[in-house]
Amino acid sequence: RKEVEQDPGPFNVPEGATVAFNCTYSNSASQSFFWYRQDCRKEPKLLMSVYSSGNEDGRFTAQLNRASQYISLLIRDSKLSDSATYLCAVRGSTLGRLYFGRGTQLTVWP
Amino acid sequence: DGGITQSPKYLFRKEGQNVTLSCEQNLNHDAMYWYRQDPGQGLRLIYYSQIVNDFQKGDIAEGYSVSREKKESFPLTVTSAQKNPTAFYLCASTERGSSYNEQFFGPGTRLTVL
Repeated sequence: RKEVEQDPGPFNVPEGATVAFNCTYSNSASQSFFWYRQDCRKEPKLLMSVYSSGNEDGRFTAQLNRASQYISLLIRDSKLSDSATYLCAVRGSTLGRLYFGRGTQLTVWP
Repeated sequence: DGGITQSPKYLFRKEGQNVTLSCEQNLNHDAMYWYRQDPGQGLRLIYYSQIVNDFQKGDIAEGYSVSREKKESFPLTVTSAQKNPTAFYLCASTERGSSYNEQFFGPGTRLTVL
């Protein structure tokens, strides 16, 4: 079983739409959680960390559900510039490596 | 500006040749990582190092080797034993101490075997 599972999509949505991605993880002892954004042929960049209480940054909301072992990313009022691949990542311990999902591809069309 | 540099950006190799990918960081991070990414796939960990002169195998270490002689440098050698080396290689680093420390990535090297 993979450490992190993520629906690869693709998700194709119109501008202004709300879209949500989920990511499940297998290790119940996982310490920390992240969403990265990766543009085509570029390196991933941190979008948001995901905290137990949930957190919001403008149009982006990240949530953690430890009981069901998943994290989510909600994008409201989608922009063309949101088109990218979104990778979830989970860290197993304080000094541990990150485990990445395979990424979810999002295309926002005008 | 602090960051991670990788060179070269594009690399072409003939079958049977070893090649070394460079990764340098000036963020003063202890931990460094090498990932491989294939089209439509996530990141797979090749090797990582938590401290100078120490490193561990990741999930797909076969056919690769690394060294960590300096804190700022973590070169990756793709050997001829790696059967399918064409991929996008990403180097990353992070500061130790907190599980929420961000992992920063370099711009990557695209390796093509001819």
